[in-house]
Amino acid sequence: ETGVTQTPRHLVMGMTNKKSLKCEQHLGHNAMYWYKQSAKKPLELMFVYNFKEQTENNSVPSRFSPECPNSSHLFLHLHTLQPEDSALYLCASSLRLAAYTEQFFGPGTRLTVL
Amino acid sequence: DQQVKQNSPSLSVQEGRISILNCDYTNSMFDYFLWYKKYPAEGPTFLISISSIKDKNEDGRFTVFLNKSAKHLSLHIVPSQPGDSAVYFCAAMGGNTGKLIFGQGTTLQVKP
Repeated sequence: ETGVTQTPRHLVMGMTNKKSLKCEQHLGHNAMYWYKQSAKKPLELMFVYNFKEQTENNSVPSRFSPECPNSSHLFLHLHTLQPEDSALYLCASSLRLAAYTEQFFGPGTRLTVL
Repeated sequence: DQQVKQNSPSLSVQEGRISILNCDYTNSMFDYFLWYKKYPAEGPTFLISISSIKDKNEDGRFTVFLNKSAKHLSLHIVPSQPGDSAVYFCAAMGGNTGKLIFGQGTTLQVKP
C-alpha cells in the first residue's frame, strides 16, 4: 500500500450505532488530520495530530472521538451520530506540522447516518 | 464567514485552450496557498503551491499567480486536456498550525 489509505470506503450506520473510521499513511509523515466535506460545503478541518498528540480540535462535537496511537495511524470513533453528520470524511497527512507544507489526502469514507 | 472563496462553481473550456481558475481570500495572515485537484471517488491530490513571498510559481502546464494586494490567486492550465476535468480546490494556510482553509471548489470540464 502506498500513500494514505482509509477504511471503510463507505459506511451506513444508524444513530445509535458505534463505528470507527481508520486511516493509515505509508509516507513516513508525522502530522495527521481529519477533514469533513458535507454536500455543497468546503472541506472543513476537524482535528490535527502532531507526533501522536492532538494539537487542534476545531470545535467538533464529542460524538466524534479521534485516536492516534502512532504517527502512521489515525482513527475517528463515531457514536450517536445525527443524520446531518452524513458526509465524506477525509484523512490527510503531512511530513511535519509546519508552514509551507502540503498535505496528502486519502480517498475518504462516505458516511451515511440513517 | 468564508475566508477562502471560489466564486465560480464551474468552468468549461475547449481542449488545448487555457483554463483559468480563480480564488479570493480575506485573511491577510495567510502566507501559503495550495491548489488541489479531485476526481470523483478519490481524495484531493496536491497540484501546486505558492508562498506569499512569490507572485508566480510554475510547474509544467500549471502556473499559480498570487496578487497579495488584491488577496487573489489564480491557477492557469495551458494547454488544457480532457484528463484535467475535475474539481479544483484552492486552500490557504497561515503560520505552522497545519490548518488548511479550503474554498468551495470549481468543477472544470475540458471538452475534446
